[in-house]
Amino acid sequence: DAGVIQSPRHEVTEMGQEVTLRCKPISGHDYLFWYRQTMMRGLELLIYFNNNVPIDDSGMPEDRFSAKMPNASFSTLKIQPSEPRDSAVYFCASRDRVAYNSPLHFGNGTRLTVT
Amino acid sequence: RKEVEQDPGPFNVPEGATVAFNCTYSNSASQSFFWYRQDCRKEPKLLMSVYSSGNEDGRFTAQLNRASQYISLLIRDSKLSDSATYLCVVTSGYSTLTFGKGTMLLVSP
Repeated sequence: DAGVIQSPRHEVTEMGQEVTLRCKPISGHDYLFWYRQTMMRGLELLIYFNNNVPIDDSGMPEDRFSAKMPNASFSTLKIQPSEPRDSAVYFCASRDRVAYNSPLHFGNGTRLTVT
Repeated sequence: RKEVEQDPGPFNVPEGATVAFNCTYSNSASQSFFWYRQDCRKEPKLLMSVYSSGNEDGRFTAQLNRASQYISLLIRDSKLSDSATYLCVVTSGYSTLTFGKGTMLLVSP
């Protein structure tokens, strides 16, 4: 299995621009998570999906953030407009539905820098 | 009280030493517990799950104390390659996993 695939690996953009992050979960995994990691706050859960349906988006910082999962093999996280404080590493992770103690599998992450 | 708390470290130990980390959690209903390892500028990777009776994987031993609401990770015979940040993870629901901020371990020659 290829694992969770994220793109791009790095993104540098100017404040005010739209940013789209992409994720392909592990095939067969029913849960998909978007996390953001910074030095100050650590790993924060932004949103997660179950069977392509958003279940909990309470971690999404503001309306500038949106996430979609149009099918079982693809998800996007969009920031519009971006701001310097959005600079962080964004991880996508997936998890299967078999057991409550099944672990998360992370993608390589997207390192976002907003100038 | 934060949901999951860890000593950020760093823990500086020589090769061959034994080192232990603790992690406390606030939700007494938490069901699953894990230790993840994260290398610099990489994604977190599962190190081991933590079972109620405690479990061991080679040089690594994990323990769970539900009464005091903490989990621990013990690393014996530390290697240079063990240098990383160790993240404690707790489930706060069926699907949601909450991460601690991690404990940094530096193993020196």
